[in-house]
Amino acid sequence: GNSVTQMEGPVTLSEEAFLTINCTYTATGYPSLFWYVQYPGEGLQLLLKATKADDKGSNKGFEATYRKETTSFHLEKGSVQVSDSAVYFCALSDPAGGSYIPTFGRGTSLIVHP
Amino acid sequence: DTGVSQDPRHKITKRGQNVTFRCDPISEHNRLYWYRQTLGQGPEFLTYFQNEAQLEKSRLLSDRFSAERPKGSFSTLEIQRTEQGDSAMYLCASSLVLGGTTDTQYFGPGTRLTVL
Repeated sequence: GNSVTQMEGPVTLSEEAFLTINCTYTATGYPSLFWYVQYPGEGLQLLLKATKADDKGSNKGFEATYRKETTSFHLEKGSVQVSDSAVYFCALSDPAGGSYIPTFGRGTSLIVHP
Repeated sequence: DTGVSQDPRHKITKRGQNVTFRCDPISEHNRLYWYRQTLGQGPEFLTYFQNEAQLEKSRLLSDRFSAERPKGSFSTLEIQRTEQGDSAMYLCASSLVLGGTTDTQYFGPGTRLTVL
């Protein structure tokens, strides 16, 4: 079956530090990959996505590259801000069989200190 | 585009009572998903609809859970005879999938259920 594995949190950084949150996946088909962000008390918001190998998704200074050879989709940001503090979820949508049933990782909490 | 809305945002109920949640998707979206999220976990898929057809319901947590989307627009999720273990955030998401397009889901704010 499909699965998504994220690094355990919390990740604690100082403002302007470099961020990496690791995500690896297994899938039976050729999935699309996503990062979602969840702020306290809110639903998930789509942060970025990539639909094929070597695609780079980017938004709000965050980037992730679809690496088929390593089955990874690591999230990076060059300089984090306090407002980036949230929980980040890696997810895949696998069209195999036409079902598109999505699979989410457990989430990684990011805490950014001033 | 007003986004996905859910109602109520919070629900407190006593064990054994029935509860119903509503989700209004983005208007042109043909797919609608329900998830459960417990503390410290990612969303757990429950069921989804393509228009009014429920295409996957085997992952509903028990026969106490049911969902409908009668006219292919809004959807309801009902939990009968609630138990304390049903306490969680229930999320709805919608997407537009045509042919081979990517299924990009947009989430609502969720309904937080507390069963006393």
